[in-house]
Amino acid sequence: DAKTTQPTSMDCAEGRAANLPCNHSTISGNEYVYWYRQIHSQGPQYIIHGLKNNETNEMASLIITEDRKSSTLILPHATLRDTAVYYCIVRVGGGGFKTIFGAGTRLFVKA
Amino acid sequence: GAVVSQHPSRVICKSGTSVKIECRSLDFQATTMFWYRQFPKQSLMLMATSNEGSKATYEQGVEKDKFLINHASLTLSTLTVTSAHPEDSSFYICSARERVYSYEQYFGPGTRLTVT
Repeated sequence: DAKTTQPTSMDCAEGRAANLPCNHSTISGNEYVYWYRQIHSQGPQYIIHGLKNNETNEMASLIITEDRKSSTLILPHATLRDTAVYYCIVRVGGGGFKTIFGAGTRLFVKA
Repeated sequence: GAVVSQHPSRVICKSGTSVKIECRSLDFQATTMFWYRQFPKQSLMLMATSNEGSKATYEQGVEKDKFLINHASLTLSTLTVTSAHPEDSSFYICSARERVYSYEQYFGPGTRLTVT
C-alpha cells in the first residue's frame, strides 16, 4: 500500500472549517483514499473514502486532486469534539487488504 | 453502521499471567478481523490478521506464541496475551471487515491492558 504524508499537528478555531491535507504521491490506480479519526482512548472512527471523485457525507468532504497525488479532508464547521488524530490511509479494495496507520495529524479545535 | 465490541474495556493483570480479550461483531458477520496495539502517543500498529476458521497471519516481529488469536466464528475473535509482562501493557484494538470485498473496516472501542 502507498505511504502518506500528513502534518504532525494543526489548530482550528471552533466553527471554522478545518482543512487537513494528505500527500500520497505513489498512490496506485486501484487504491482508495480513506480517512479515519481517533479521539483519545477510543477506537478509530471511519470518516469518508474516495477513489478519484470528490466525496461528501454528513461528517466531512473529501477533495482529491486530479492526479490523485494528494487530498484534503474538510470538516466544514469544526467543534471542540472534533479534536482528534486524523489518519489518511490509501489502500486497495477487495479481499486481502490491510489497513496500515501512519502517524496522522493531531487536530486541536480551540474555542 | 456496523458495531464492533470489545471485552473487557480495561484489565489489570499480574506479570506472568495470561489475559484474553474478546472482539465481537454485533450486527454483521466478519470474515476477517484485525488486531492492533497502540502505545501512548503512538499510532496503531497492526499485529495480525485472522480469517474465520483459519490460522492468523502475524506481522513481522509479532510473536505468535505470545499473542494467540482465535477466530472460531464469524462474530467472535479472541486475543490471548500469554505470560504477560509489563512491556505488554498497551491499548489493544480489534477491527472487523464484513465481506471479502467490503471497503469499510469497523473498529472496536479498544481494551486497555495494564500488567503489574
